[in-house]
Amino acid sequence: RKEVEQDPGPFNVPEGATVAFNCTYSNSASQSFFWYRQDCRKEPKLLMSVYSSGNEDGRFTAQLNRASQYISLLIRDSKLSDSATYLCVVNGGEGGGADGLTFGKGTHLIIQP
Amino acid sequence: DVKVTQSSRYLVKRTGEKVFLECVQDMDHENMFWYRQDPGLGLRLIYFSYDVKMKEKGDIPEGYSVSREKKERFSLILESASTNQTSMYLCASSLDWTSGRAGKNIQYFGAGTRLSVL
Repeated sequence: RKEVEQDPGPFNVPEGATVAFNCTYSNSASQSFFWYRQDCRKEPKLLMSVYSSGNEDGRFTAQLNRASQYISLLIRDSKLSDSATYLCVVNGGEGGGADGLTFGKGTHLIIQP
Repeated sequence: DVKVTQSSRYLVKRTGEKVFLECVQDMDHENMFWYRQDPGLGLRLIYFSYDVKMKEKGDIPEGYSVSREKKERFSLILESASTNQTSMYLCASSLDWTSGRAGKNIQYFGAGTRLSVL
């Protein structure tokens, strides 16, 4: 069974701080990686894809470390509106379908004023 | 924008009832999925479908069935609802599950149906 592991938190962080969290995955053949954001009692929404070279979108930076099999999400200058649960999603390398869809249980982030 | 619509936001049903949860997507996506989400357990895949009339079991298919008669619609059926099926149900769709095609396997979710079985 392929696993995706995340620290559930909560991470309590003061507004304006930088916060980072990781996600480890067990399937070394995984090819696609994503971070989703889920607000309380809402559906998950794609935050960003994670590319091999790392990628940045405004205050958010995602990194992939294939050797150690983890991805990371860095949030700079955190805002109150960043409070949410962040889900790590890894698609497998064996053709997709049920085998290729693995969601982490999420990391809960609370930004405090 | 991709739109995935679930027919109900909240449902209350009685034990033993047959329950239908409907999901419609408007982006001509090949793949559709049904998940349930429970506190501490995360998202768990119930069933998915990669084509009309095709379905595959996910991690927790017991007590559920699905129907995909049209490409845009994927229905989840609880044959005889039980209290342990009280949960948030999320439908998702993606263009393509082939992981090598960048961006094609991104899943888009509906707003969810919060089902209570009494």
